[in-house]
Amino acid sequence: GAGVSQSPSNKVTEKGKDVELRCDPISGHTALYWYRQSLGQGLEFLIYFQGNSAPDKSGLPSDRFSAERTGGSVSTLTIQRTQQEDSAVYLCASSLGGFRTDTQYFGPGTRLTVL
Amino acid sequence: AQTVTQSQPEMSVQEAETVTLSCTYDTSESDYYLFWYKQPPSRQMILVIRQEAYKQQNATENRFSVNFQKAAKSFSLKISDSQLGDAAMYFCAYRSARARGSTLGRLYFGRGTQLTVWP
Repeated sequence: GAGVSQSPSNKVTEKGKDVELRCDPISGHTALYWYRQSLGQGLEFLIYFQGNSAPDKSGLPSDRFSAERTGGSVSTLTIQRTQQEDSAVYLCASSLGGFRTDTQYFGPGTRLTVL
Repeated sequence: AQTVTQSQPEMSVQEAETVTLSCTYDTSESDYYLFWYKQPPSRQMILVIRQEAYKQQNATENRFSVNFQKAAKSFSLKISDSQLGDAAMYFCAYRSARARGSTLGRLYFGRGTQLTVWP
């Protein structure tokens, strides 16, 4: 079946604007993750959704970042009042959620550039 | 927190030769998983191989194999018969196998090793 998809592929925005990044996980995957990849920080965990449980938001860098997952499928990562340091590639991954056999499959990412 | 270290920012190999990428990690846990992911210029992270810490046997996937040394906390990736398509950034990653707290499910990544394959 189809893999993880993300949109847009690239996003250029002005400092102070809000942006929304979308992730479509693999059908049937109950777990969904967001990571950020930047030159200075490498790959950082942002947030994790598992089924109907409360998300693990421990990796969100500030309260300008939020994410939701509707209907246990599509997820949206929102960054409010973007700053230049938010420029990065945002990667989404999904997995079956069976913990001992869990493997995360990644989407192609969204490259965000804040001018 | 768990840390993953890849000490080789760049490596190169001649086509058809063998190359080994290094990875070490720090953890106090005894049960965990280790992964190697490949990221070509397309940005798509592709799973190369995974290893369960409770298994003594090293994982292999075709031309890719690992040398897992649990006591030394070392997890190297060997690529045999290197091909031009192997050129990419390679990331080593760690995931806890214990379902507790905020470590649940998340991957901890190294900084990556950029592999160049020469024809």
